[in-house]
Amino acid sequence: GQNIDQPTEMTATEGAIVQINCTYQTSGFNGLFWYQQHAGEAPTFLSYNVLDGLEEKGRFSSFLSRSKGYSYLLLKELQMKDSASYLCAVLRNTNAGKSTFGDGTTLTVKP
Amino acid sequence: NAGVTQTPKFRVLKTGQSMTLLCAQDMNHEYMYWYRQDPGMGLRLIHYSVGEGTTAKGEVPDGYNVSRLKKQNFLLGLESAAPSQTSVYFCASRNRDRNQPQHFGDGTRLSIL
Repeated sequence: GQNIDQPTEMTATEGAIVQINCTYQTSGFNGLFWYQQHAGEAPTFLSYNVLDGLEEKGRFSSFLSRSKGYSYLLLKELQMKDSASYLCAVLRNTNAGKSTFGDGTTLTVKP
Repeated sequence: NAGVTQTPKFRVLKTGQSMTLLCAQDMNHEYMYWYRQDPGMGLRLIHYSVGEGTTAKGEVPDGYNVSRLKKQNFLLGLESAAPSQTSVYFCASRNRDRNQPQHFGDGTRLSIL
């Protein structure tokens, strides 16, 4: 089966750094995605990790440890526009490219 | 660059009515998916398709049917709508290459009274 856990809500201050954690237990792991979803909008792709380690992309970085079933998304120099929900999704090892999504972490950035 | 287009964007139905949600993608993607998203529950897979003419059940398929007669279109049908189907429905597509993300439509907000 698949089980993905993320904190429900987080609050941070503009200009700060925040780390959003995701732990997973799944059969047939084939990579992990992070998506951003602003209220009332569609999810959009942020990052993909399949090997252990850190992937950096501008202000956003994502880390993966396959042995620990753990990932995090690191957001630096927070801006008000970063207020959104962040979805962790595990890509399963199937022939249909299916992902199992966590319930998302709602991040609120305050001035 | 249209990407993934969903119609309609909003709809209100009465219990027992039927309707079809349309998803169209112009990226020549093989895989397509229908999800529902309820408050605090993330995205749950309803049905999916790995190619034209093929469909399969996801996690929560009951009460829904799908068809993929053309590669670019994936239709989601509700034969007899129930209040429990009130939700936001997202369609997504992706390339078959392993590390490719899903591309989502803007969603259809459906209310069943």
